[in-house]
Amino acid sequence: DAGVIQSPRHEVTEMGQEVTLRCKPISGHNSLFWYRQTMMRGLELLIYFNNNVPIDDSGMPEDRFSAKMPNASFSTLKIQPSEPRDSAVYFCASSLYPTDTEAFFGQGTRLTVV
Amino acid sequence: AQSVAQPEDQVNVAEGNPLTVKCTYSVSGNPYLFWYVQYPNRGLQFLLKYITGDNLVKGSYGFEAEFNKSQTSFHLKKPSALVSDSALYFCAVRDLDAGKSTFGDGTTLTVKP
Repeated sequence: DAGVIQSPRHEVTEMGQEVTLRCKPISGHNSLFWYRQTMMRGLELLIYFNNNVPIDDSGMPEDRFSAKMPNASFSTLKIQPSEPRDSAVYFCASSLYPTDTEAFFGQGTRLTVV
Repeated sequence: AQSVAQPEDQVNVAEGNPLTVKCTYSVSGNPYLFWYVQYPNRGLQFLLKYITGDNLVKGSYGFEAEFNKSQTSFHLKKPSALVSDSALYFCAVRDLDAGKSTFGDGTTLTVKP
């Protein structure tokens, strides 16, 4: 298995634009997690899905952020409109378990909003 | 509520020496505890976990961690450090009934030749 695959690896966009980050979890994993990592705030869990259903989105910073998981092999995190303070590395992770036990992380998407 | 603390931002050791990266936690029930490692420009990699059983847990790359309930600690250890162990290490805790873990702020380990 190729592991968790995220795209793009890097994204530079202008403030106000829509940004879509993509994630393909490991096949057979039941849970998917979206994290954001910054120097100031560390690693933050934004939202997680179990069997494609959003379980906890309490970490989503505001209504500009949305996430979907239309099927077991694909998820998106969308920011609309983007702002400079959204600049961060966004990680997707998946786990065989219904929780984040032994989560496998993707390589991340480095987002820069200018 | 659950929380985790990594009291050291930075740990420096010489190659071949033992290393310890500290972690303390707080949960309302029984804890699940994890260690992850992050190399530059990479995602986190799972190292080891404690759920129940033996207080000394062995994981990947020769790392181990000791669960100490009375001190609410879960320190990461390795008997002999390698330069390639230099990375950012995260401790995480999850209450038995919680769906998600809380991660510490991370500790940067630097192993010098």
